[in-house]
Amino acid sequence: GESVGLHLPTLSVQEGDNSIINCAYSNSASDYFIWYKQESGKGPQFIIDIRSNMDKRQGQRVTVLLNKTVKHLSLQIAATQPGDSAVYFCAENRPPSGGSNYKLTFGKGTLLTVNP
Amino acid sequence: NAGVTQTPKFRILKIGQSMTLQCTQDMNHNYMYWYRQDPGMGLKLIYYSVGAGITDKGEVPNGYNVSRSTTEDFPLRLELAAPSQTSVYFCASSYSLAGGEQYFGPGTRLTVT
Repeated sequence: GESVGLHLPTLSVQEGDNSIINCAYSNSASDYFIWYKQESGKGPQFIIDIRSNMDKRQGQRVTVLLNKTVKHLSLQIAATQPGDSAVYFCAENRPPSGGSNYKLTFGKGTLLTVNP
Repeated sequence: NAGVTQTPKFRILKIGQSMTLQCTQDMNHNYMYWYRQDPGMGLKLIYYSVGAGITDKGEVPNGYNVSRSTTEDFPLRLELAAPSQTSVYFCASSYSLAGGEQYFGPGTRLTVT
């Protein structure tokens, strides 16, 4: 079935290293993708987004790469800091279909742990 | 701006009881959403609203009801609580439906025993 999934449920990195979190999606019609960060006991917080007409988008210390050929999305965090420790979710937005107006689907998440 | 606020933060219900989870946003967003998050899982959409008076079902609407009488408020109602509804509930709002950031509240942790 259709799904948004993550290759690795956990990722442990050293402080200062770069982190790469991966996400696979299966619906080629999805036209918008978002990365969220969720710290323990808090609601998700928007990090960065990308539309399907783009391959790459950069923010502050974060970069999202979109490979539509293999339906793969990645989040790169440069110089990872202890404050980056959290669960990271990717989400895909599927255009309206079959009478449905909206569908934003979240993956299960990757737990990033940054070791000092 | 306070953003998206939710009450209560925690609640324990007995099976069969009912309750309303409150959600308010002060960003004048037309779009609001209710999600549930089970342990180790992603968010699943329960209901959403595209404006006052207009609501629609999400992925897992059974056992819940919503209303949207004002732009600011989007309460979620559980009529007959069941253990399967034990979860963390997040309310969110956004400026756009087709894309753009969703702003999340801090969540309500609900346990049904």
